[in-house]
Amino acid sequence: DIQMTQSPSSLSASVGDRVTITCRASQTMINSLNWYQQKPGKAPQLLIYDVFLLQSGVASRFSGSGSGSDFTLTISSLQPEDCATYYCQQSRSPPYTFGQGTKLEIK
Amino acid sequence: EEQLVESGGNLVQPGGSLRLSCVASGFSFRKYWMQWVRQDPGKGLVWVSSIYSDGSRTLYADSVKGRFTISGDNAKNTLYLQMNSLTVEDTAIYYCVRAGARNYGVDVWGLGTTVTVS
Repeated sequence: DIQMTQSPSSLSASVGDRVTITCRASQTMINSLNWYQQKPGKAPQLLIYDVFLLQSGVASRFSGSGSGSDFTLTISSLQPEDCATYYCQQSRSPPYTFGQGTKLEIK
Repeated sequence: EEQLVESGGNLVQPGGSLRLSCVASGFSFRKYWMQWVRQDPGKGLVWVSSIYSDGSRTLYADSVKGRFTISGDNAKNTLYLQMNSLTVEDTAIYYCVRAGARNYGVDVWGLGTTVTVS
């Protein structure tokens, strides 16, 4: 199984900050890396797929990058509505594992 | 609007069974990988099962293999998850999802249905 490890597990940042969340896979990915945002009491939503492709309707301050086994989700200018938990997921091979999540709080 | 609506979650005793249903609207799910993903209370996301909606291929997490069965009814545009021999570890919110983004990113999520085994 491919293990996905996110860091940090939680962070606190101020409005306007640049925020970076990392995800490391136990095996090399071939583009099949996705990022999701989950707000309290809500279902997750797709932010980024295929490492860097922005899902339709998602704000352009979100971006994804990386290759091989190391990937990054960046929020260029943090907004209050970005308070949520973020998950990476590999969809390369089953089981389609998720990272443990990064809880982002606004200072 | 593309939507998924789950139902069937309930309180059940260990060893019991439940069948979850998921009605898709706004798209024909016969063309997509459809999946179930669960979330333990206050915890992370776990992939449970997938089916290509023509039924040609099904996949299961090791933790549910032999106990859960995923199936679909194309005429009703409905996905099912038959869950047998339930244990307390199966307690979770179960999301019906569509893996419709390129390389199977999950682009449509249902609201979830809660299964409690106790």
